[in-house]
Amino acid sequence: SQQGEEDPQALSIQEGENATMNCSYKTSINNLQWYRQNSGRGLVHLILIRSNEREKHSGRLRVTLDTSKKSSSLLITASRAADTASYFCATDKAAGNKLTFGGGTRVLVKP
Amino acid sequence: DAGVIQSPRHEVTEMGQEVTLRCKPISGHDYLFWYRQTMMRGLELLIYFNNNVPIDDSGMPEDRFSAKMPNASFSTLKIQPSEPRDSAVYFCASSLEGAQTGELFFGEGSRLTVL
Repeated sequence: SQQGEEDPQALSIQEGENATMNCSYKTSINNLQWYRQNSGRGLVHLILIRSNEREKHSGRLRVTLDTSKKSSSLLITASRAADTASYFCATDKAAGNKLTFGGGTRVLVKP
Repeated sequence: DAGVIQSPRHEVTEMGQEVTLRCKPISGHDYLFWYRQTMMRGLELLIYFNNNVPIDDSGMPEDRFSAKMPNASFSTLKIQPSEPRDSAVYFCASSLEGAQTGELFFGEGSRLTVL
């Protein structure tokens, strides 16, 4: 199975609502990253949180990391139609430069 | 900077043909990664390079796949012979510091269809 697994697989919300998605992983990590992928496009980096950090903010994004539970969450506040995309968490193992991606959460923001 | 540039964006070929995908990383980035994305298997790391040297190719599915990085500004992923199950979107990504400390910058991908 993949190192990172997102939950839920799909999410549908109204514009203005918050969207929360979770990521679980199995092995020790140096950092955890979140990426967005619009349909038919490449992945775009959103935020990186290091293993010694618990929370990080970037604009309308809030990421938490709980290394004891091996889990992370991504919160998008005040969602917009333009936030419609797939969101992936990605982890590196404690050794090596391999970034392993989860299966993603498909988010639909309805106007 | 123009970002990571991949070509072709779309390729349709017949089973048995050779396919070559190309990537130009962001200038100055020391790491280059090739990923494959399918509905069934998600994003899979095929191989990555550091300073033009292949570091880990354990994700390359078969000997039919090969990747090269002859210089810091160019990499190729070749499939010979291609098979229908190779149909996927292939992404190239580059990174300044590597995945341990930095973000990856992805190209727009090459969508391969093998008939």
